Amino acid sequence: DAGVIQSPRHEVTEMGQEVTLRCKPISGHDYLFWYRQTMMRGLELLIYFNNNVPIDDSGMPEDRFSAKMPNASFSTLKIQPSEPRDSAVYFCASSSHRPSGNTIYFGEGSWLTVV
Amino acid sequence: AQKVTQAQTEISVVEKEDVTLDCVYETRDTTYYLFWYKQPPSGELVFLIRRNSFDEQNEISGRYSWNFQKSTSSFNFTITASQVVDSAVYFCASDYGGATNKLIFGTGTLLAVQP
Repeated sequence: DAGVIQSPRHEVTEMGQEVTLRCKPISGHDYLFWYRQTMMRGLELLIYFNNNVPIDDSGMPEDRFSAKMPNASFSTLKIQPSEPRDSAVYFCASSSHRPSGNTIYFGEGSWLTVV
Repeated sequence: AQKVTQAQTEISVVEKEDVTLDCVYETRDTTYYLFWYKQPPSGELVFLIRRNSFDEQNEISGRYSWNFQKSTSSFNFTITASQVVDSAVYFCASDYGGATNKLIFGTGTLLAVQP
């Protein structure tokens, strides 16, 4: 079975440009998470969806970040405008039913560098 | 506060040695789940194990074993007869019952297995 699929794997962009990261969760999973990993802050949850509806976006750093889930098989995380401090690895993850106690499976990550 | 602590930042061992990675968690919840993930040099996050707060039985999977002790709020991970391929960053995490539906990660332990 296919795991969580993220694209692009690597992105280098200039400050001020718009960045869109994409995620396809595991089929049948109804929870989707976006995490960010940095050296300074480690792994932190940005936002998560249940049945395509955003449930908790308290981890989204600021208004420059937005996430959507138009259907059960696709989500995007957008940064506009991007800044060098947004450089990080962005992970998408999914799980089924309640995330509490169910295994959360991660994609391979999108490595973002903003110069 | 809900927190996961991995006090060991880096561990270096020689192949075939046993190694234990420590994880201490803090919670006021009675229901919670604990996880271990592996992040190899390629960067993906690989699920290793999930344990719920009601199950204190230790678990063994091949060369991997986990020791869960509620009395000391610890969920330690032991690799027996380590191999070079075990070199990775290992993260302990907790999903605190139904309260937040979030994975709280420790800061990770970098394990280097020397040949």
